Amino acid sequence: DIQLTQSPSSLSASVGDRVTLTCRASQSISSFLNWYQQKPGEVPKLLIYAASTLQGGVPSRFSGSRSGTDFTLTISSLQPEDFASYYCQQSYSIPYTFGQGTQVEIK
Amino acid sequence: QVTLKESGPVLVKPTETLTLTCFVSGFSVGNGRMGVAWIRQPPGKALEWLAYIFSNAEKIYTTSLQDRLSISEDTSKSQVVLSVTNVDLGDTATYYCARIVAGESPMGFVYAFDVWGQGTMVTVAS
Repeated sequence: DIQLTQSPSSLSASVGDRVTLTCRASQSISSFLNWYQQKPGEVPKLLIYAASTLQGGVPSRFSGSRSGTDFTLTISSLQPEDFASYYCQQSYSIPYTFGQGTQVEIK
Repeated sequence: QVTLKESGPVLVKPTETLTLTCFVSGFSVGNGRMGVAWIRQPPGKALEWLAYIFSNAEKIYTTSLQDRLSISEDTSKSQVVLSVTNVDLGDTATYYCARIVAGESPMGFVYAFDVWGQGTMVTVAS
């Protein structure tokens, strides 16, 4: 199975900060990588698919990129509604797997 | 509007079979490479993909649980059913159904879960 390792596991940031979350795959997955946001008590929401394509309706402050097996989710200017957990997920091979998540907290 | 909604028992005893139903509206399973997936999340833990179905002839399971899972669809009722046999405490989780779709990308089609149900919490306890 492909392992996805997210870092950091949690971070504290302030409104307006630029935040970068990382997801590292245990082997090459091309760009078959998606990002989800989950607020406490809520359902996960698809933010980005294929490593860098923004899902419709998602604010442009979110962006994704890939460098080899390392994937990055960047929030250019953190907003109050962005405090949540973020999960990466690969759809390169079965079984589809998720990372363990990064929790973004208010500083 | 695309919606999915899960239904199932709140409490299941160890060794029993858990049966969950996903009621789908706003799209047809298997139409245009759209299907239904099941994903679960134990309390305070990460998400785990379990299975997906595009038709009763095209269904895939996670390898670690494939001997205990069964997924099927009833197109006439717009329902997808997931069964988990011989449950144990480790199956306690919120179970979500979600639409799985193929998004176009420079590499081809990339599958993602774009619309999720509200989830249903299942506790395994004696």
